[in-house]
Amino acid sequence: DAKTTQPNSMESNEEEPVHLPCNHSTISGTDYIHWYRQLPSQGPEYVIHGLTSNVNNRMASLAIAEDRKSSTLILHRATLRDAAVYYCILRRGGTSYGKLTFGQGTILTVHP
Amino acid sequence: DTEVTQTPKHLVMGMTNKKSLKCEQHMGHRAMYWYKQKAKKPPELMFVYSYEKLSINESVPSRFSPECPNSSLLNLHLHALQPEDSALYLCASSQESGVSSYEQYFGPGTRLTVT
Repeated sequence: DAKTTQPNSMESNEEEPVHLPCNHSTISGTDYIHWYRQLPSQGPEYVIHGLTSNVNNRMASLAIAEDRKSSTLILHRATLRDAAVYYCILRRGGTSYGKLTFGQGTILTVHP
Repeated sequence: DTEVTQTPKHLVMGMTNKKSLKCEQHMGHRAMYWYKQKAKKPPELMFVYSYEKLSINESVPSRFSPECPNSSLLNLHLHALQPEDSALYLCASSQESGVSSYEQYFGPGTRLTVT
């Protein structure tokens, strides 16, 4: 699976926007970019995914670079509940049988 | 209902015990997964079931034995575990396994301690 690179940690203040970057320079044309997060003492939670175009849902927005070598997860107004480890994952279908290969992720701290 | 349930929440077992972890989903998903997560590390895939058949075994030791009795249930049978097997065991499901746009839904995990 193609590798992703994320900062180890980031900090934000409550009610401010947060931009979480992810580099994936070896992405292939069929790889979807998925974001999951894991709150303390919980299982991972799906956040958003995209292929080429920017995506929005009720939780976040995903901005994908034109060359697809990087992406940014945007939380529009951080809350204390958004403090979690955020994982950027490239997901390839077909014979990989939907494997999710988690990297180290970014630990997001939200200050009140 | 987008819930994946796992039982038990916590399990303490000795190295000679036999125990089982259970996972259930009622979303009609045809792919189910077991992951292992050590403290402060990311989850690691162990097994993938697709349409109730084992499709991926990530070289997991035979003391871990998965079973998928039907499309809603996934078990992980444990026997002769070692203390280093202590971890959070996560179950997940998705609509299909081979489609890269489908998201996975995770359960809360079973915290396993081997003494």
